Amino acid sequence: DADVTQTPRNRITKTGKRIMLECSQTKGHDRMYWYRQDPGLGLRLIYYSFDVKDINKGEISDGYSVSRQAQAKFSLSLESAIPNQTALYFCATSVSRRGEQFFGPGTRLTVL
Amino acid sequence: GQQVMQIPQYQHVQEGEDFTTYCNSSTTLSNIQWYKQRPGGHPVFLIQLVKSGEVKKQKRLTFQFGEAKKNSSLHITATQTTDVGTYFCAGHTGGGGADGLTFGKGTHLIIQP
Repeated sequence: DADVTQTPRNRITKTGKRIMLECSQTKGHDRMYWYRQDPGLGLRLIYYSFDVKDINKGEISDGYSVSRQAQAKFSLSLESAIPNQTALYFCATSVSRRGEQFFGPGTRLTVL
Repeated sequence: GQQVMQIPQYQHVQEGEDFTTYCNSSTTLSNIQWYKQRPGGHPVFLIQLVKSGEVKKQKRLTFQFGEAKKNSSLHITATQTTDVGTYFCAGHTGGGGADGLTFGKGTHLIIQP
């Protein structure tokens, strides 16, 4: 699973700051996803991308934006972070829509 | 929207006992996947079920997909300490609509030696 990397692994920031979380993959997969995980809530889809020209909102996209800079890179931005965006964020990739997903190690974000 | 319910939320077992987690969807699923997340780790794919009534086994793990393709279960026989973690089911609906998996909230398996 080192094929999917995320930076930073941990980040503490303040309310109102702009934050970017980055995801890179060497799997050659076209499909990339951003999820957030909160205790007791499982994983929820924020955004997903089928290729560099295709970006789609997921279940909880409000307050987030994404950029697909290349097949291998998919970034998640919080334009103005708020405390309830404190969570564990995972990037994932997949070779097909119904295929298994490969998760990165996660970024733990704390917004004070 | 699609909802995937998973029970129980927590399960404490003695090492060697069996464990089962159940997953129910409000809509028919085209497939269901199971993932395991170790404490402090990330979700790792275990298996995918596609066919109605399908049963698959991986050593001590048995996965079932219901006849109506709305429910699924994971059963672990004779748990070991290495089984500790959170088990998630995740489903895709058929046809169009949003991509990405809809995850259940997970079952935390806690094993007492």
